[in-house]
Formats: sequence, structure tokens, C-alpha cells
Amino acid sequence: AQSVTQLGSHVSVSEGALVLLRCNYSSSVPPYLFWYVQYPNQGLQLLLKYTSAATLVKGINGFEAEFKKSETSFHLTKPSAHMSDAAEYFCAVTSNNAGNMLTFGGGTRLMVKP
Amino acid sequence: DVKVTQSSRYLVKRTGEKVFLECVQDMDHENMFWYRQDPGLGLRLIYFSYDVKMKEKGDIPEGYSVSREKKERFSLILESASTNQTSMYLCASSPSPGGWAKNIQYFGAGTRLSVL
Repeated sequence: AQSVTQLGSHVSVSEGALVLLRCNYSSSVPPYLFWYVQYPNQGLQLLLKYTSAATLVKGINGFEAEFKKSETSFHLTKPSAHMSDAAEYFCAVTSNNAGNMLTFGGGTRLMVKP
Repeated sequence: DVKVTQSSRYLVKRTGEKVFLECVQDMDHENMFWYRQDPGLGLRLIYFSYDVKMKEKGDIPEGYSVSREKKERFSLILESASTNQTSMYLCASSPSPGGWAKNIQYFGAGTRLSVL
């Protein structure tokens, strides 16, 4: 079985501040990990993915995430928040044993203050 | 560009009604999915389909059924809508190449369903 925990359902940062959204996963086999973003009134779109190559993964809009096997974590960061980053972010996990199935975390809503 | 289209953005239905949610993708993807999204619970998989006329139950299939008569279209059916089915419903599709790429899912904009 696989699972994802996102710590903090709401995160608030000031514009220009560091963004850190936490994701911890559980998987009995090597995982593939994803971050998706959902802007208001839209579906989810892929932000970045980890697929067992480099552990530091760069995505769109200046976001990156680091896979840490020892900590079973895949936290999402961005050095400087923009107002346009306000959205809901979802971490997801799958593996070769899971077929096409993604297991999503509960989501973190990021608010950016001017 | 990849496109997954859900037929309605907002729906209001009454308890006991039969409800159809439609999803169409234009990417010739083999796999299609229906999720419901509720605050704090993330996305939960209702059903998925890996081929025409094929379907598999997800984590929360009770009270739902699906239909996939054509590759591009995947319908979610609420046989008798209940108030606890008020939610946001998201459709997604993914291709079936080898390796990790099959796990990238492309999402529609969602249908917000209210059952009164």
C-alpha cells in the first residue's frame, strides 16, 4: 500500500519569501513522486516529477523538489514566492506495482500576502 | 495541446436523481479516471478505465458507476444522487507507454456538483 501525507493544509507566506510545502510518502517499493498544482477554478496540472533519476527535480515556475529516501520526503520549494503562486498543491505517489494509480495527499493551499 | 473536457462546470441536482458527468479527451489516451475532490481529503479515485468497455473500481466506488463506450469518452453515473455526493469531480486521462510516463495524468477543469 502507498500513502501520502502533506503537513499543513494551509500555508501563508509573504511575497518574496521562501515557499516550503511538505510531503511525506509511504511505499513498499521504489516510488515515483509528483507535485501537481491547482489554480482556482481549474483542474490539476503537473508541476514536477521524480522518476528515480536525479534526486533534485526542477519544475515549472521556479519550483523544485528533493527526493530524500532516508526521510521518505519529497518537499516542494521555491526561493521567492509570487502572488501568482497562490493555489492548491498536491503531492502524489505511485510505483511500478501500482499500475496507473496515483495516490494523492490531502493538498496544501498556499496563500501569498503582498 | 493536451485537452480533457468536462461537459459541465457546475451542476445542481435533487436527491434521487440520476446524474451523468461526461468527460472527453482528445489525446488518444488509453487510461481515464474519475476522482472526487473534497477539502482536506485530496483526490480520491472513484473508477478508472484502461480500455474501451473496461473499468476498474477505485477507492470509493459505492454509489457510482461508469461507462466507456468510446476511447475518448468516459462517463460517471450517479444512479440515485445523495447529498453526500456533493463534491468536485475531476476527470483525468493518461497514456500507456512503458515506464513512469504512464503515470502523468492530465486533468479536466472539474465539475462542481451540488445535490440538494
